Amino acid sequence: ELKVEQNPLFLSMQEGKNYTIYCNYSTTSDRLYWYRQDPGKSLESLFVLLSNGAVKQEGRLMASLDTKARLSTLHITAAVHDLSATYFCAVDKPGTASKLTFGTGTRLQVTL
Amino acid sequence: GAGVSQSPSNKVTEKGKDVELRCDPISGHTALYWYRQRLGQGLEFLIYFQGNSAPDKSGLPSDRFSAERTGESVSTLTIQRTQQEDSAVYLCASRETGFTGELFFGEGSRLTVL
Repeated sequence: ELKVEQNPLFLSMQEGKNYTIYCNYSTTSDRLYWYRQDPGKSLESLFVLLSNGAVKQEGRLMASLDTKARLSTLHITAAVHDLSATYFCAVDKPGTASKLTFGTGTRLQVTL
Repeated sequence: GAGVSQSPSNKVTEKGKDVELRCDPISGHTALYWYRQRLGQGLEFLIYFQGNSAPDKSGLPSDRFSAERTGESVSTLTIQRTQQEDSAVYLCASRETGFTGELFFGEGSRLTVL
């Protein structure tokens, strides 16, 4: 069974600081996705990573994928309050067109 | 429509009643997913439809839960004899053919069982 773990589960950080969220998964896969969820809202796609070494950046967020280590990171640069949300990573079961398995989520709170 | 549409957005029901939740995916998306999200929790997979293939029902928590989809269109998730632990947001998502693209989620149906 594919397991996806994120850490930390909760992150409180000051504006202007940098931090990284980690996503580990248990089975070989080269398809990893990051989503953002604001309170009471649905999920918004942030990044799609489809190969080993893939790196994508959007604004203050940068995501990377290391398939050999079964690890993805979401790096936050110079955090701002608007980034406060819950971030989920999700992994596709390899070799099949099947469900995405989601991580537990990281709740990010950016304080002034 | 342009996005995944779900209805109702909110449903309050009494324990023991049946409820039906509806999802209208993005046009042309062959894959459709249902997930459940309890308050403050992550996403729990329920069921997956892909075209005319047999659905993957491996996530349905009990036989009180069922879902249907006709072709590549609307899907309905039915919960019979609702229990308080069924209270959650039920999220529907769709995905285009090719399976490498991201899932697009609807706004969810919030179910409260009293």
